[in-house]
Amino acid sequence: RKEVEQDPGPFNVPEGATVAFNCTYSNSASQSFFWYRQDCRKEPKLLMSVYSSGNEDGRFTAQLNRASQYISLLIRDSKLSDSATYLCVVEGAGRDDKIIFGKGTRLHILP
Amino acid sequence: ETGVTQTPRHLVMGMTNKKSLKCEQHLGHNAMYWYKQSAKKPLELMFVYSLEERVENNSVPSRFSPECPNSSHLFLHLHTLQPEDSALYLCASSPGTGWYYEQYFGPGTRLTVT
Repeated sequence: RKEVEQDPGPFNVPEGATVAFNCTYSNSASQSFFWYRQDCRKEPKLLMSVYSSGNEDGRFTAQLNRASQYISLLIRDSKLSDSATYLCVVEGAGRDDKIIFGKGTRLHILP
Repeated sequence: ETGVTQTPRHLVMGMTNKKSLKCEQHLGHNAMYWYKQSAKKPLELMFVYSLEERVENNSVPSRFSPECPNSSHLFLHLHTLQPEDSALYLCASSPGTGWYYEQYFGPGTRLTVT
C-alpha cells in the first residue's frame, strides 16, 4: 500500500451538489492529518485539520477512520470557487516521522 | 510584506549553471522547509530547518544545497542540475517542527533545467 493514496479524479460535480473523497494511509501510528487545497498554479493552503472526533467548518466536514486508515472530506452545496486540487497530508509517525502529501484529488465544479 | 515570499518566481538554467532560490518568511516562525512538486507526483519534502539548524534531509542529491542563515531566510543553492530536476520548488514555514503545525507555503519558484 502506498503511504498516502488519493483518487486523482477529476471529479466533475454540478454546482450545489455534495461531493466526498477519501484518502487512505499506510502508517497506523500516524497522529496528524490534514486537508490542504491547491488552486491551479498556486501554493497549497491549509483547508482543515482532521481530528479523531471529526470536524466541520461551514460546508466542509472532515472525518478520520482509524480502523480502516482513511480520512475523508465532504463538501456540501459546492460552489464554483471550490474547484481546486485537494491534498491529503499525513504525518508519517514513528521511525518514519515525516510529513507525507498525497498526489491530490482534482475537483471541478460545473456551472 | 507578509507571509512567505520566494524569488525568483521563474528560473531557466542550464545544466552547468549555478543559481540560488531564496525564501523569506515574515511570520515569526521557527521552522522552514523546502519541497519539490513535479508534475503528476506528490509534494516531496526535501529539507527541514528548525531555528537555522537542519533537522532533516530526505536523501536529496548533493546538487541541491540548502542554507539557513537565520530563522527568516532560507536558500536553496543549485548546481549541475539535471533536466529531471525541473519542477516547482516550494518553501514553507511553520511555528515549530511538529507535524501538527499548519504549514504556510510561499508561491514557489518554477524551475526549468535545459
